[in-house]
Amino acid sequence: EVQLVQSGAEVKKPGEFLKISCKGFGYNFTNYWLGWLRQMPGKGLEWMGVIFPGDSDSRYSPSFRGQVTFSADKFIGTAYLQWNSLKASDTAMYYCARTMGGFGDPFDYWGQGSLVTVSS
Amino acid sequence: DIQMTQSPSSLSASVGDRVTITCRASQSITTYLNWYQQKPGKAPKFLIYAASSLQSGVPSRISGSGSGTDFTLTISSLQPEDFATYYCHQTYSMPWTFGRGTKVELK
Repeated sequence: EVQLVQSGAEVKKPGEFLKISCKGFGYNFTNYWLGWLRQMPGKGLEWMGVIFPGDSDSRYSPSFRGQVTFSADKFIGTAYLQWNSLKASDTAMYYCARTMGGFGDPFDYWGQGSLVTVSS
Repeated sequence: DIQMTQSPSSLSASVGDRVTITCRASQSITTYLNWYQQKPGKAPKFLIYAASSLQSGVPSRISGSGSGTDFTLTISSLQPEDFATYYCHQTYSMPWTFGRGTKVELK
């Protein structure tokens, strides 16, 4: 069974570093693009970008480029979303999601979400 | 960026009703249109891809149609488990974008 399991909720202060994770189970992690999506409180879904864990090729939405970094460790089947300096406006639920196969495919499996709260 | 406009933003309906949600793209996306369902506190669930193809396990009362710029999601007979927020999503051109969602509530 395909599963994406994300790391737990985080409470951080502005300016702090954070790296959250998404571990894949039940499929060949290196062969599928993996997306990151943001959902701010009470709002809709925003596409942050995707990473191909096989070679860590990453594509970022212009809205998030330079603000976050995607990475992946294909040997342990885990992808990461990183902030070097958090802002209060980064407070949101973050989802990882697997594409069906190809680059432009929809997201067929989703992680349970990682809630990030940034507050002084 | 391609803008995805969903309408209505919310609707009230009863069990058994036929419900239609519309999604309009700001330019042609051929059939690179997907639909998701999200319930409160849960991750989105994948429903439809390529505008009209039903993901495995999704009940057949849910259907999608359209091409180019205009798309619809239809629930032929609303069931209690269908009360949720629905999002359309284009993967024709980066950045991939979502509609703002349509909340289907109990009348």
